[in-house]
Amino acid sequence: NAGVMQNPRHLVRRRGQEARLRCSPMKGHSHVYWYRQLPEEGLKFMVYLQKENIIDESGMPKERFSAEFPKEGPSILRIQQVVRGDSAAYFCASSRDRYSNQPQHFGDGTRLSIL
Amino acid sequence: RKEVEQDPGPFNVPEGATVAFNCTYSNSASQSFFWYRQDCRKEPKLLMSVYSSGNEDGRFTAQLNRASQYISLLIRDSKLSDSATYLCVVGYQTGANNLFFGTGTRLTVIP
Repeated sequence: NAGVMQNPRHLVRRRGQEARLRCSPMKGHSHVYWYRQLPEEGLKFMVYLQKENIIDESGMPKERFSAEFPKEGPSILRIQQVVRGDSAAYFCASSRDRYSNQPQHFGDGTRLSIL
Repeated sequence: RKEVEQDPGPFNVPEGATVAFNCTYSNSASQSFFWYRQDCRKEPKLLMSVYSSGNEDGRFTAQLNRASQYISLLIRDSKLSDSATYLCVVGYQTGANNLFFGTGTRLTVIP
């Protein structure tokens, strides 16, 4: 009964490098959500994916950010050419289906620090 | 207007006190409601779902008022371990992302 697994827990990158964040949903869950949380702020929705499909990316910055959830393997949130403002906690959540009465279960998060 | 609005607090209460948080939502078509708890530098964790008739789980009671579009969380006999940020979450059926998180209300229980 493994929960949502995210790795790495902490990631340090220099400006201009790429960051890759991974998320494996709970067993039996096929819906994945990514959120960003800046220090002392609330969760901000970024993107919602199902296997091989991006359902809603309305919260994703238009440039440098991308997400995927391949048929096999974890969901990946990719940030290219990172900048200081990308420093945040990135949380992944999963749910069993898309019905709104299903709560989302969160992973431990990845704390991204940009030097 | 935000989908979900909460008083950010902080609420500082002594141990044993009763404390209540409210949350308002803007979409009258909202269908599901939850309270999550988030400890400092940790992930949000589901505290309880909120049902139309109201529901209770130990020291925690959740209420829903559809007419006024708000939900509440009542914590009785506060413990030090209740110190956390409480997130109000509202969901409705759309074609895309369907859960909306409030920014949270911070609670500190003081010895």
